[in-house]
Amino acid sequence: AQSVSQHNHHVILSEAASLELGCNYSYGGTVNLFWYVQYPGQHLQLLLKYFSGDPLVKGIKGFEAEFIKSKFSFNLRKPSVQWSDTAEYFCAVNAGYGGSQGNLIFGKGTKLSVKP
Amino acid sequence: DAMVIQNPRYQVTQFGKPVTLSCSQTLNHNVMYWYQQKSSQAPKLLFHYYDKDFNNEADTPDNFQSRRPNTSFCFLDIRSPGLGDAAMYLCATSSPKQGLRNNEQFFGPGTRLTVL
Repeated sequence: AQSVSQHNHHVILSEAASLELGCNYSYGGTVNLFWYVQYPGQHLQLLLKYFSGDPLVKGIKGFEAEFIKSKFSFNLRKPSVQWSDTAEYFCAVNAGYGGSQGNLIFGKGTKLSVKP
Repeated sequence: DAMVIQNPRYQVTQFGKPVTLSCSQTLNHNVMYWYQQKSSQAPKLLFHYYDKDFNNEADTPDNFQSRRPNTSFCFLDIRSPGLGDAAMYLCATSSPKQGLRNNEQFFGPGTRLTVL
């Protein structure tokens, strides 16, 4: 079965520190990959997505992610975090087909706390 | 603003007492999803509607049902809630113009269900 692993449960950083959140998935075929963010008290919203083409994708608010097929990874990065980046981050993969092709498999999420 | 709305935001029910959660959308999207998210776990897809076609995940308990009377509304019915059904329930929508696998899902704020 497909699965998504996020290595860090809780990450604590100071402002201006660099961020990298790990995400690995298990599926050998074509995948579409997503990072969603959930700010405190708000709903899940899309941060960025990868479908094809350039494996380095840029999203909103200065985030980027790199798809490395050989490593089954889609790590999220930001060079310099801000206090407002405090949120929970979810990696998700869509590898379904037929009636399941819209289904997202989520990781357990990583909570990011940024200290001012 | 176009959005996904979930009511109520918090729902308390008693063990075994049927409960219905509501989701509405102003995005005019064809597909509506229901996810269950337990504490510190990944959101897990329960089922989705593609227009009027209902697609149930294989491991969704029979206790969970759904109705979609029109494009805008979708309901989650829990026939006999158990203590293990306490969770956040997320509704999401997408529009399959580019194929289901390529689509961003738009999430509502969720309904937190407590079972006493």
